[in-house]
Formats: sequence, structure tokens, C-alpha cells
Amino acid sequence: EIVLTQSPATLSLSPGERATLSCRASQSVSRYLAWYQQKPGQAPRLLIYDASNRATGIPARFSGSGSGTDFTLTISSLEPEDFAVYYCQQRSNWPPITFGQGTRLEIK
Amino acid sequence: EVRLVESGGGLVQPGGSLRLSCAASGFTFRSYAMNWVRQAPGKGLEWLSTINGSGGGTNYADSVKGRFTISRDNSENTLYVQMSSLRVEDTAIYYCAKTMSTRFWDDAFDIWGQGTVVTVSS
Repeated sequence: EIVLTQSPATLSLSPGERATLSCRASQSVSRYLAWYQQKPGQAPRLLIYDASNRATGIPARFSGSGSGTDFTLTISSLEPEDFAVYYCQQRSNWPPITFGQGTRLEIK
Repeated sequence: EVRLVESGGGLVQPGGSLRLSCAASGFTFRSYAMNWVRQAPGKGLEWLSTINGSGGGTNYADSVKGRFTISRDNSENTLYVQMSSLRVEDTAIYYCAKTMSTRFWDDAFDIWGQGTVVTVSS
């Protein structure tokens, strides 16, 4: 099973700042990595698929990069609605499909 | 509008059974693999199962293999999961999610339902 480790667990930033979230895989997942955003009481929302492709309707301030075992989600300038929990997910060498444990992005 | 609506959650005793449904609309249901994902209270996301578009291929997480059965009715645009031998640790919000592409049945999950709550308790 491929384990995804996200860091940091919690990130405290202010609106307008740049956010950098990390996801590390226990073995290569090529570029088969996605990022999701989840707000309290809501279902997850797909942000990024295949490491760097924005999903439909996702603002350009969200970008993804990486391949192999190290991936990054960057939010270039935080908006108030971006404070949420973010999960990475891999679909390489499945089953199982696995998720990271999440990074909570909170307002400083 | 593409939409997924789960139903069937509730309170069940340990060892009991429950069937969840996910009604799909706004897309060609039979063309897409579908998935079940759950989230225990205060915890992260856990993939449970995937079924391909025809229903002929399925995969399961080890945590539910042999206890949960995923299925679909393409004539009714509905996804199911039959859950049996339920345990306290199965308590969670259960989401259905649509696979993004028609080419791969293991693609990212682009549409999610609002979830249905399952509580396993005596």
C-alpha cells in the first residue's frame, strides 16, 4: 500500500499570503496524484488531478507540481474561502487508492 | 447539472446490515466508474470501493473486503453499497464519488455527493 504523508499538519497564514502544502508518497506514484479541498460540513472538492492539472472551475491561484514521490499544492494568494482542509490522493498501483491525512489551512 | 445524492444511512447495531444508495443525474452514468469513500468523525478520507462502468469490475479496501459489496443499476442510474457485519469503527459519513474520465476507472473523483451518515452502535 502506498502511504501519503502530508505536511505540515496545520498551516497558519493570513489572507493574501502564499500557501505551500506538501504530499510525499512512500513510493513513486508517477503523476497520478490529486488534491482535494474540504470545508466543514461539506464534501471534498477536486482541485488538481494528475499532479498539475486544475479541475473545471478551479481558480488559477491553485497550482500543483511534482512527480514521483514529492508533490506540492500552491495557493498563490490566499482568499478567505481557501481556509479549509486539503487532502492528496494517489491512484497508482491500486488497489488501494489512498489519501493523505490532510493539511488544515487556518487563518492566522 | 451533474449531481449525486446518497441515501440509506442511519443507526445500526454492531453485526447488522445496511444498504446505501447513490442516485446520479446529469451525466451518462454507465460510462463512468463510481466509488465509495468514507470519513469517520473528525478523521480523514478513506477509499472503500470502486466499480467500473459496466459493473463487471470491482475493487475493495482490505478494511471492508468480504463485508461490503458495491453494485450499480445503470438502468436506474444508481450506485449501491451493501454493508454487512458492521462494526463500531464503520461509523462515518459515506460519500459516493464519480470518476473523472471515461477512459480510466481509477481516475480522480470529480463529483461527490453530500454524504450519508452511518452510525454503528448498540
